[in-house]
Amino acid sequence: GESVGLHLPTLSVQEGDNSIINCAYSNSASDYFIWYKQESGKGPQFIIDIRSNMDKRQGQRVTVLLNKTVKHLSLQIAATQPGDSAVYFCAENNNDYKLSFGAGTTVTVRA
Amino acid sequence: NAGVTQTPKFQVLKTGQSMTLQCAQDMNHNSMYWYRQDPGMGLRLIYYSASEGTTDKGEVPNGYNVSRLNKREFSLRLESAAPSQTSVYFCASRNRAQETQYFGPGTRLLVL
Repeated sequence: GESVGLHLPTLSVQEGDNSIINCAYSNSASDYFIWYKQESGKGPQFIIDIRSNMDKRQGQRVTVLLNKTVKHLSLQIAATQPGDSAVYFCAENNNDYKLSFGAGTTVTVRA
Repeated sequence: NAGVTQTPKFQVLKTGQSMTLQCAQDMNHNSMYWYRQDPGMGLRLIYYSASEGTTDKGEVPNGYNVSRLNKREFSLRLESAAPSQTSVYFCASRNRAQETQYFGPGTRLLVL
């Protein structure tokens, strides 16, 4: 079946460096993508989204890139901070009201 | 504005017991969702309610029932709990005009 997935389950980053979290999707009909951050013991929190008619979208310290040719999505975090340690999920709009989630990447920030 | 709230935060059940997980949102959202999250896996949709008065099955509905009590509240019921239902359950909601879903803090359920 079609699904959303992340390339790596874990990522260790030095504080102050930039982080790149990748996600591959297989549903070429998906037209909306979201990145969520989930801290330990909490629910997923919206970070940034992008529609399929865009290649790039920037937020505060975060940038999402969408490559529809290879069906790849990435989240870049600039100047990673200890508070960025969390699990990051990508999700795609799957059939109207539903979202399909990847398994997540755990980001650990080293001091 | 509390967003999405869930009760209880944590629950331990014995196999065969029943319980209802409660979810409420104060954002006047039309759609509400129930997910489960298991270790190493993403969120899997159990049931959703696109609008008040409607409910539909998601990816993993077996063993669960839902009730959209009103626009604010969406409950998830386990009629006869099984150890395989040990999980963290998240409720979410979204506005009709947006695809973004907003999540509650979760209910951690342990079935012995």
